[in-house]
Amino acid sequence: NAGVTQTPKFRVLKTGQSMTLLCAQDMNHEYMYWYRQDPGMGLRLIHYSVGEGTTAKGEVPDGYNVSRLKKQNFLLGLESAAPSQTSVYFCASSPTGSTGELFFGEGSRLTVL
Amino acid sequence: AQSVSQHNHHVILSEAASLELGCNYSYGGTVNLFWYVQYPGQHLQLLLKYFSGDPLVKGIKGFEAEFIKSKFSFNLRKPSVQWSDTAEYFCAVKPGNTGKLIFGQGTTLQVKP
Repeated sequence: NAGVTQTPKFRVLKTGQSMTLLCAQDMNHEYMYWYRQDPGMGLRLIHYSVGEGTTAKGEVPDGYNVSRLKKQNFLLGLESAAPSQTSVYFCASSPTGSTGELFFGEGSRLTVL
Repeated sequence: AQSVSQHNHHVILSEAASLELGCNYSYGGTVNLFWYVQYPGQHLQLLLKYFSGDPLVKGIKGFEAEFIKSKFSFNLRKPSVQWSDTAEYFCAVKPGNTGKLIFGQGTTLQVKP
C-alpha cells in the first residue's frame, strides 16, 4: 500500500527555471493538499483541492499553480522558481474535508539557486 | 486571520520528565483539533485528534491533549517522556466546514537519555 507518493524527492533548480512536483495517492481520497515546511514557520498551506477538477488557494499561493485533472494526482507547479521557494514540500490527502485527518507523503526537498 | 500559535519552539527534557506543549488558535467557531508528530527524517503522522465530546483525548504512545474551549487551547501532554519522543510536534486546526488544515509553527522536542 503506497499511500501518498511524491516525486521527485530532491531537486535543485536555478532561478527562473520551472518544474512540477507530482503527488499521487492510491487511497481514493477526495481532498488533496500541498504544504511547504520552512524552519520556524511550520507547515503553510499553498493550495488544496476538494475533488477532481477543483483547486483552491491556501495561505501562501503566490508563485505556485496546481492542477487536479485526475482524482489520484495533484500537481504543484513553479513557473519561474525563486530562491524564496527553497523549501521542503509535503503533499497530503484526506478522505473527506470533514474529518481533517491528513495522510502525508515523505516530502520533496527543493533548492533554488 | 485564522492562526495557530505554539508557544514553545524548542524544548529540551531529560527522560522521565513530564511534557506539556502549548497550542492556541484564533478561530471562534467550531473546530477540529489535531497534533501531528514528525520524527527525524520522516513525514508527519497523526498523534491524536479532537472532534467533539470528552475534551481530554488520548493518542498514541501515551500522549494526551486537553481542549479548553474558553481558552482556545489544545495543549499536548505526556507524563513521562522517552528518548524516542525526540521529534517535531505540530498543532493543527480545521476551522468549521472548510477543507483547510492550518498548522502551528511547530515545537522541536529533544529528549536527553
